[in-house]
Amino acid sequence: DTGVSQDPRHKITKRGQNVTFRCDPISEHNRLYWYRQTLGQGPEFLTYFQNEAQLEKSRLLSDRFSAERPKGSFSTLEIQRTEQGDSAMYLCASSLALPETLPQTYNEQFFGPGTRLTVL
Amino acid sequence: GEDVEQSLFLSVREGDSSVINCTYTDSSSTYLYWYKQEPGAGLQLLTYIFSNMDMKQDQRLTVLLNKKDKHLSLRIADTQTGDSAIYFCAERRTGRRALTFGSGTRLQVQP
Repeated sequence: DTGVSQDPRHKITKRGQNVTFRCDPISEHNRLYWYRQTLGQGPEFLTYFQNEAQLEKSRLLSDRFSAERPKGSFSTLEIQRTEQGDSAMYLCASSLALPETLPQTYNEQFFGPGTRLTVL
Repeated sequence: GEDVEQSLFLSVREGDSSVINCTYTDSSSTYLYWYKQEPGAGLQLLTYIFSNMDMKQDQRLTVLLNKKDKHLSLRIADTQTGDSAIYFCAERRTGRRALTFGSGTRLQVQP
């Protein structure tokens, strides 16, 4: 399977614990995105990387959240001191950025299956 | 996505057409997308439209864009039970990479 993969698929933790999720994008994709989806809502943007650089962060990304993409391939999202309000599906997506000299296209973001976090 | 709004639920009979509506607020949106989400599966891009287009057709799917009213619709012709899912409208604003999603429309197809 050459799609976006996420690990783990499910995580149950107690309030106050730290959790870390991993995302492996499609191999040639240089952009990677994190979104959060709560029940009955659409995904909300958290942050994105181009290669290893974190270029945009949402105000939703509080100081308890940190994302990294050290080698420009896989990414991790860590949540420290989890709260019950952090319970959600965490989605990763990747896309291929074209050089700016080429006509830009619709830039499809391919989504992974998500990691469902439950904070007790 | 408070800036992108969709109705919550739509029920149709198999073989009928489905029309899912979406309104957005940001006039700088460059691309508008429709995604499909099935239980246990990731979001799947169905189709998209560029903001300078009025209509796009792709097999059973027709997207209509009214920029003046900031209204987007997705029409599914000959709806099948396999089309039952949640459909999300999303916009990408000029100069940004992030997508802003609506809260989704659950489509139920009755046999």
